[in-house]
Amino acid sequence: AQSVSQHNHHVILSEAASLELGCNYSYGGTVNLFWYVQYPGQHLQLLLKYFSGDPLVKGIKGFEAEFIKSKFSFNLRKPSVQWSDTAEYFCAVNAAYSGAGSYQLTFGKGTKLSVIP
Amino acid sequence: DTEVTQTPKHLVMGMTNKKSLKCEQHMGHRAMYWYKQKAKKPPELMFVYSYEKLSINESVPSRFSPECPNSSLLNLHLHALQPEDSALYLCASSQDGGNTIYFGEGSWLTVV
Repeated sequence: AQSVSQHNHHVILSEAASLELGCNYSYGGTVNLFWYVQYPGQHLQLLLKYFSGDPLVKGIKGFEAEFIKSKFSFNLRKPSVQWSDTAEYFCAVNAAYSGAGSYQLTFGKGTKLSVIP
Repeated sequence: DTEVTQTPKHLVMGMTNKKSLKCEQHMGHRAMYWYKQKAKKPPELMFVYSYEKLSINESVPSRFSPECPNSSLLNLHLHALQPEDSALYLCASSQDGGNTIYFGEGSWLTVV
């Protein structure tokens, strides 16, 4: 079974600081990787995803993530954070195909990002 | 904006009540999901429906009863819930051959 580890429970940054959130997964086969964001009191939104191809993927709101297969990592980055980026960030891996169009998505425990104006 | 629509957005119910959460998607997705999310925790999978058939039940207590009336609708019937069942309930869907699961905005449930 796959698993996802997010190393940072809570990250506090000042505005304009650079961001990197760590994510490592455990699975020996082909994986699909995702970062979701959840703003306070809101639903999960997809930030970006990696299926194949260029390991550097760009998402919405200036976020990007790099898939490093040898390190089983998919870290999220943003060069300059804003106060509005304050949210919970979840890394997820989708590796097991349950059959007939359904997928088993495994989430990490999440990283809370607090950006100080 | 999400194309998975959930109603109601907020629900407060007593422990003896019977209520239902509803979910609808018109993206032609043939898999639909219920997840439960407690505060500051990741979503936890409850049920998966694939082609309108229940394919996964993650050992969810019987006081939660899912129903998939057709390929666009997914319900979660609630009966005799406990206060610890208070959480955000997320519906999601995915398409056959695609790998992305799309989430609705969720229904905030409070059991009193």
